[in-house]
Amino acid sequence: AQKVTQAQTEISVVEKEDVTLDCVYETRDTTYYLFWYKQPPSGELVFLIRRNSFDEQNEISGRYSWNFQKSTSSFNFTITASQVVDSAVYFCALSEVEYGNNRLAFGKGNQVVVIP
Amino acid sequence: EAQVTQNPRYLITVTGKKLTVTCSQNMNHEYMSWYRQDPGLGLRQIYYSMNVEVTDKGDVPEGYKVSRKEKRNFPLILESPSPNQTSLYFCASSARSSTDTQYFGPGTRLTVL
Repeated sequence: AQKVTQAQTEISVVEKEDVTLDCVYETRDTTYYLFWYKQPPSGELVFLIRRNSFDEQNEISGRYSWNFQKSTSSFNFTITASQVVDSAVYFCALSEVEYGNNRLAFGKGNQVVVIP
Repeated sequence: EAQVTQNPRYLITVTGKKLTVTCSQNMNHEYMSWYRQDPGLGLRQIYYSMNVEVTDKGDVPEGYKVSRKEKRNFPLILESPSPNQTSLYFCASSARSSTDTQYFGPGTRLTVL
């Protein structure tokens, strides 16, 4: 069964520090998709990235970057030079193509607190 | 504007009083889904629908019903709510399946007394 683990529950950083959020997943499928979502204090869920299992290139979008390591089943997310607006809960999620039964499995989330 | 809407946004009710949370999307998406979010548990999938008249259980379907009579609407029905259904509920939609990017509604905060 597809499973996502986000071990760090809450992470506090001082503004301008970098923060890395770990996401480890379990899957028996060879084809799957990984996602990151952001949930700011206002509560909505904002899509950040979608990555398929065959694309192992790291991705950078502004201050955000993602490191996909298939060998360790990890899809980690780094915020560079954090800002107060980055304070949010971040969720990693996984959907398998063949065995996922059309479901999306979320991790429990990382609460990031950026201290000014 | 492409969006997923949910109503109501906030609801306080009592045990056993049937309620419906509506969800509508204007993106012509085939896949729609309901999630509940609880502290420390992340988001868990309740039900999903691959298309009109096609629905299936997610990970936590007990106590909930859904229907998909039209492509744009996917209401969540609690026929006899209980306090353990107090939660934050999200509706989401995507183009075809769970492997496509899902776009979420604003959430419905439900309290069952």
